[in-house]
Amino acid sequence: DAGVIQSPRHEVTEMGQEVTLRCKPISGHDYLFWYRQTMMRGLELLIYFNNNVPIDDSGMPEDRFSAKMPNASFSTLKIQPSEPRDSAVYFCASSLGGKWGYTFGSGTRLTVV
Amino acid sequence: RKEVEQDPGPFNVPEGATVAFNCTYSNSASQSFFWYRQDCRKEPKLLMSVYSSGNEDGRFTAQLNRASQYISLLIRDSKLSDSATYLCVVTTPTDSWGKLQFGAGTQVVVTP
Repeated sequence: DAGVIQSPRHEVTEMGQEVTLRCKPISGHDYLFWYRQTMMRGLELLIYFNNNVPIDDSGMPEDRFSAKMPNASFSTLKIQPSEPRDSAVYFCASSLGGKWGYTFGSGTRLTVV
Repeated sequence: RKEVEQDPGPFNVPEGATVAFNCTYSNSASQSFFWYRQDCRKEPKLLMSVYSSGNEDGRFTAQLNRASQYISLLIRDSKLSDSATYLCVVTTPTDSWGKLQFGAGTQVVVTP
């Protein structure tokens, strides 16, 4: 089991640029979650999918953020345009459902300068 | 009021000692409970689920008190490698099945 795979591990970009984060969930997991973590706000749920369908995107901070899950093995989180306050660690996690907990990817550390 | 609240710490613990800390949750309908561990600059990892009857995993003991709406984690014989942030996690049936609520974490520092 390769676990949840995220790429890139680190991303440094200039303000205004588009950023795309990628995630491959564990095979067979039907829930996928995108979280953002900062020192000030802790772990924040941005959006989650069930069977590739977005269920709750109420945590997406604004229209600059969008997420897709075109198939069961791939999801993207896009920020366009990026801003310095978007700097954070973005985690993807997958699960068989809340009862079983999550498995997190290693995260993408995003720095917007 | 936050749905899941934790004392941020840090709890400074001498190696070999016991440390315990709690987490309170606001929704009495919460059903599933977990403790996650997060090392510095790493992803959170599931430490253990918390069952109504309480459960133990080696040096770690988790308890659930539904009446007072809190869960606890106790670490016996602390090791230097136990230094981490411990995240309390709950899920409720009012949320969609898959959604977990994370606390902000309790930092534990085990000192030699």
